Amino acid sequence: GQNIDQPTEMTATEGAIVQINCTYQTSGFNGLFWYQQHAGEAPTFLSYNVLDGLEEKGRFSSFLSRSKGYSYLLLKELQMKDSASYLCAPTGSYNTDKLIFGTGTRLQVFP
Amino acid sequence: EAQVTQNPRYLITVTGKKLTVTCSQNMNHEYMSWYRQDPGLGLRQIYYSMNVEVTDKGDVPEGYKVSRKEKRNFPLILESPSPNQTSLYFCASRSTSGSSEQFFGPGTRLTVL
Repeated sequence: GQNIDQPTEMTATEGAIVQINCTYQTSGFNGLFWYQQHAGEAPTFLSYNVLDGLEEKGRFSSFLSRSKGYSYLLLKELQMKDSASYLCAPTGSYNTDKLIFGTGTRLQVFP
Repeated sequence: EAQVTQNPRYLITVTGKKLTVTCSQNMNHEYMSWYRQDPGLGLRQIYYSMNVEVTDKGDVPEGYKVSRKEKRNFPLILESPSPNQTSLYFCASRSTSGSSEQFFGPGTRLTVL
């Protein structure tokens, strides 16, 4: 079956570091996406991991362990504008035709 | 500007009245997809299309139709809408070469009374 698990809500302080975890089970797997979605807006792409390991992109980094079915998104030097939902989306097949989105983690950043 | 557009952005309708939500992209992308987003359920894929005249079901296709007669357009058709189709709908597109990033439209909030 297909299952994605990520925390529903997280809070953090401006300037801090936060790690959003995601565990997944899919019937096929090619890679895992992370998207950011501000309330009432469209999701925007953050990262796509295919290989195991950490990929860094500015303040955001994403990690993948294929054997463990585990990923995390690391946000450094948090800013107020980072308050949003973060969606974990592994592919549901051996290509990127089908994505299975988690329900998202709502992150609130406080001053 | 590279973008995905959807129309209408907001729609209130009644049960059984056929409607179409349009989606258009100007990036010459081969792949297009429709999602619905509901509280507690996340984004769920309705239909997707790999190219003109090629469409396939996603996870929740019941009650929806799509067509892909032109590369840039991918309309979502609700032949007989029902209240359980009240949702926020997103269209997305991506290239089938290079980056796998999907670009999302701004969303269509549909209410079926």
